[in-house]
Amino acid sequence: DQQVKQNSPSLSVQEGRISILNCDYTNSMFDYFLWYKKYPAEGPTFLISISSIKDKNEDGRFTVFLNKSAKHLSLHIVPSQPGDSAVYFCAASDSGYSTLTFGKGTMLLVSP
Amino acid sequence: KAGVTQTPRYLIKTRGQQVTLSCSPISGHRSVSWYQQTPGQGLQFLFEYFSETQRNKGNFPGRFSGRQFSNSRSEMNVSTLELGDSALYLCASSWNRVQDTQYFGPGTRLTVL
Repeated sequence: DQQVKQNSPSLSVQEGRISILNCDYTNSMFDYFLWYKKYPAEGPTFLISISSIKDKNEDGRFTVFLNKSAKHLSLHIVPSQPGDSAVYFCAASDSGYSTLTFGKGTMLLVSP
Repeated sequence: KAGVTQTPRYLIKTRGQQVTLSCSPISGHRSVSWYQQTPGQGLQFLFEYFSETQRNKGNFPGRFSGRQFSNSRSEMNVSTLELGDSALYLCASSWNRVQDTQYFGPGTRLTVL
């Protein structure tokens, strides 16, 4: 039973355009969500997070939107750059000392 | 500040053998989590240690075990290796809770032949 789903295994975008990566979750207890980026041969690196008390969080070119009623979040990258090409993982957790549940990832390719 | 280090980076074993992987967290971080990454399953949580105690455990068989030392360094052990254990094993450390930003190491690539 996959509690965090990233239904698009890959996404191709042109440089300068917007990249939108989507994530759906099923566990209504999740209240904290994160995005990680992973380059080949490296561990994932934290990108941005959002708490369930918010519906939007921005950090530079990266914005995460949370729609609690739809149990959906998305990561927007504007403008996309070739260096953004990586695998993006969505992760979720509930309050307290619980675990992080990751999606399977979406590979983003930004072409010049 | 030094990042999370994992040793070894690559490992080749045969079925039935056992393996021990090591993780040194960022100085001051007390929580260490382990994940298995495979192409079909993404990152799957193995277990988390905090102050030498296993605080959370994922849905993996008992062949997978771990421990944490007083200096927060952690090891994970896989006994009786199976072909399906071939994966990238990632360690992540955070200050206290898993919701605190987790910093990942580069991983250990385990190949079971």
